[in-house]
Amino acid sequence: AQSVAQPEDQVNVAEGNPLTVKCTYSVSGNPYLFWYVQYPNRGLQFLLKYITGDNLVKGSYGFEAEFNKSQTSFHLKKPSALVSDSALYFCAVRDGTNAGKSTFGDGTTLTVKP
Amino acid sequence: EAGVTQFPSHSVIEKGQTVTLRCDPISGHDNLYWYRRVMGKEIKFLLHFVKESKQDESGMPNNRFLAERTGGTYSTLKVQPAELEDSGVYFCASSPILGAPGDTQYFGPGTRLTVL
Repeated sequence: AQSVAQPEDQVNVAEGNPLTVKCTYSVSGNPYLFWYVQYPNRGLQFLLKYITGDNLVKGSYGFEAEFNKSQTSFHLKKPSALVSDSALYFCAVRDGTNAGKSTFGDGTTLTVKP
Repeated sequence: EAGVTQFPSHSVIEKGQTVTLRCDPISGHDNLYWYRRVMGKEIKFLLHFVKESKQDESGMPNNRFLAERTGGTYSTLKVQPAELEDSGVYFCASSPILGAPGDTQYFGPGTRLTVL
C-alpha cells in the first residue's frame, strides 16, 4: 500500500521569502514522487518529479524538491516566493508495482502575501 | 500540443439522475486515468485504461460507475444513478508510456459534479 501525507493544510509566506511545502510518503518499493499545482479554476499542472538519481530535483517556475529517503520526505521549495505562486499544491507517489495508480495527499494551500 | 480536455466543466443534477463525463486525452497517449476529489480531500484514483482495456479499476467505488474507452481514444465515465456522495471534482489524466511508473500524468481541468 502507498500513502502520502501533507501535514499542513495552509502555508503562508511573505513575498520574497523562501517557501517550503511538506510531503512525506510511504511505499513498499522504490518511490516515484511528483508535485502538482492547481491554480483557481484550473486543472492540475505538473511541477516536477523524482524518479532516480540526484536527490535535488528542479522543476517549473523556479520550484525544486529534495528527496530524502531516510526521512521518506519530498518537500517542495522555492528560494523566493511570488504572489503568483499562491495556489493549491499536491504531492503524489507511485511505486514500481503499479505503474498507473498515483496516490495523492490532501493538498496544501499556499498563500503568498505582498 | 493540445492538453487533456474534459466536458462538461460543471454539472448539476438531481439525486437519481444519470450523468456522463467525457475526457479527451492528449493525442497519442495510450494511458488514460480517472481520479476524483471529494469534499476537499485527497485526489483518489478511480481507474486506468491502456488503450481500450481496463488495466486497473480498483478505485471504482461501486457498480453505479461505468467507464468506457471505445477505440482507445476518448473516455466516458457514467454515474447511474447519482447519489449525493458522488459530488466532487472528477479529473482525467493521460500519459504516453506503457508501464513506466516514472511517467508523468498530464491532467485535465476537471469536471465539477454537484448532486442535489
